[in-house]
Amino acid sequence: KAGVTQTPRYLIKTRGQQVTLSCSPISGHRSVSWYQQTPGQGLQFLFEYFSETQRNKGNFPGRFSGRQFSNSRSEMNVSTLELGDSALYLCASGLATSGVIQETQYFGPGTRLLVL
Amino acid sequence: AQSVTQPDIHITVSEGASLELRCNYSYGATPYLFWYVQSPGQGLQLLLKYFSGDTLVQGIKGFEAEFKRSQSSFNLRKPSVHWSDAAEYFCAVGPISGGYNKLIFGAGTRLAVHP
Repeated sequence: KAGVTQTPRYLIKTRGQQVTLSCSPISGHRSVSWYQQTPGQGLQFLFEYFSETQRNKGNFPGRFSGRQFSNSRSEMNVSTLELGDSALYLCASGLATSGVIQETQYFGPGTRLLVL
Repeated sequence: AQSVTQPDIHITVSEGASLELRCNYSYGATPYLFWYVQSPGQGLQLLLKYFSGDTLVQGIKGFEAEFKRSQSSFNLRKPSVHWSDAAEYFCAVGPISGGYNKLIFGAGTRLAVHP
């Protein structure tokens, strides 16, 4: 079974631009979560989606948004990019078993974003 | 405050030596516990997890971890380290009260292996 895939793998943008990252979960997984990894702040939870709905959200500004499609694929968008948004953005997928709050999550390889 | 602590930022061991990476958490109730490994330029690979039951859990690549409720710890161990184990290791907790699928990560421990 294929793992979590993320596109693009690398991206260079300039301040003020916006960017969209894509994540395809493992086949059969219906939950998608996003994390930001930086040397200074480490790994931080951005948000989680299931059934096209955001179920959980971390402490990030509104410039960070996401969505999920009916096939469980997800995108995250960052508007008005800042230098501090340079990071590795990781996507993770899970089964989303009914009634289960915390499940095992499987991570993709990440998208490395550089903001100049 | 809720937190996950990995006290060792960097550890160096010789190939064939045993390894123990420490992880402590601070939460009101026992959370779900995970160890992930990240090789340079890669994503996170799940090594093992603890949800309930036997406090000694076995994972992939010969790793194991022991949950100790009294110490709020979930230390990762391997009896004999291989050069390919050099990577960064992250302890993560999934707080029961944190909402859906939110993982809180420790700062990570970078492992170097000497031949």
